[in-house]
Amino acid sequence: SYVLTQPPSVSVAPGKTARITCGGDNIGRQSVHWYQQRPGQAPILIIYYNSDRPSGIPERFSGSNSGRTATLTIGRVEAGDEADYYCQVYTDHVVFGGGTKLTVL
Amino acid sequence: EVKLLESGGGLVQPGGSLRLSCEASGFSFSSYAMNWVRQAPGKGLEWVSTINSIGGIREFYGDSVKGRFTISRDNSKSTLYLQMNSLTGEDTGVYYCAKRGNGYYEFDSWGQGTLVTVSS
Repeated sequence: SYVLTQPPSVSVAPGKTARITCGGDNIGRQSVHWYQQRPGQAPILIIYYNSDRPSGIPERFSGSNSGRTATLTIGRVEAGDEADYYCQVYTDHVVFGGGTKLTVL
Repeated sequence: EVKLLESGGGLVQPGGSLRLSCEASGFSFSSYAMNWVRQAPGKGLEWVSTINSIGGIREFYGDSVKGRFTISRDNSKSTLYLQMNSLTGEDTGVYYCAKRGNGYYEFDSWGQGTLVTVSS
């Protein structure tokens, strides 16, 4: 079955840029979605179709997808961005990545 | 505003059964595929099941729950269900109801979740 690989953790200083990767076989051919899950809360959709943002999601959040890696980029990181981030695709069923914990130093 | 409210979680013994519900509001429930996603304590998200909005093959299940769980919906009540049988400790976790969006299998709205604990 299809596997999505994320780094377990990423750390970034406030005001800097964080990049969270999601690797998968030919993932560039997939539509990748990203979710943010703050501690104790439900996930929310922050990027869909690789790079589109739902209404209400700040422009600081952006996505790209090419080759074997999709990337979520968070610019001008804030303390409130500290959360777990999950990528997701649909092949013949829904697949989530293992999640990445973003720590704001 | 889309709202999804799960209920029905609780403590159940191994081998037991539980039925989860998800009451939806703020959108045309019958027009959207609906899903269950779970999260074991301290772990990541795991897709459990999907039910489509219209005909054809309507229900889909993850390998870990196939044959034990049944998803259903009552469009007249705007409610999604998950019947869970033969529960084991590996089924312990928070169960989220999620609405699929208009794109390609993204989940654009989530409930707050209901906790299922399987333990003797």
